[in-house]
Amino acid sequence: GNSVTQMEGPVTLSEEAFLTINCTYTATGYPSLFWYVQYPGEGLQLLLKATKADDKGSNKGFEATYRKETTSFHLEKGSVQVSDSAVYFCALNTDKLIFGTGTRLQVFP
Amino acid sequence: DSGVTQTPKHLITATGQRVTLRCSPRSGDLSVYWYQQSLDQGLQFLIQYYNGEERAKGNILERFSAQQFPDLHSELNLSSLELGDSALYFCATSEGDLNSPLHFGNGTRLTVT
Repeated sequence: GNSVTQMEGPVTLSEEAFLTINCTYTATGYPSLFWYVQYPGEGLQLLLKATKADDKGSNKGFEATYRKETTSFHLEKGSVQVSDSAVYFCALNTDKLIFGTGTRLQVFP
Repeated sequence: DSGVTQTPKHLITATGQRVTLRCSPRSGDLSVYWYQQSLDQGLQFLIQYYNGEERAKGNILERFSAQQFPDLHSELNLSSLELGDSALYFCATSEGDLNSPLHFGNGTRLTVT
């Protein structure tokens, strides 16, 4: 069946460090891929998406590229801020949206 | 603000009881999804409705049921509650297309004592 696997957290970084959160997927067909972010006490918000192979989604300095050959959609940011501290969810959408387990990011000044 | 409204924000009830969670979708959204988020299980998809019809079912227990009304709001009914049902329950809505993003409410925190 379809599934998403994310790296386990927490990921702890200093401000201005480079961020990578790994995400790989298993799916039949050609799913759309998403990254959602959940700030404390809130629901999830869409961060970025890519709908086909080699598409790059980007938003707020975050990027992820849809890699069909490696079935991956890794999230990257060149310089994290304290305000980026949150839980990040990778997700894929075929007939329904399936989320990974989430990766908590903690950024310290 | 996502435009999705969930009520109540918090609910505390006893084992064996029944509760109803409500979700009002963003204007124009036809699809409603329900998710359960717990510390040990992560974000689990429960069920999806599109324009009043059930579209997809996930890991939803038989004690749980949902419906979407003609005005597109949705309710999730949880009955014979157990301690393990304590979790955050999220509603998310979308236009319905598979590439459309989901817009999440802030959730209902259910505590079963």
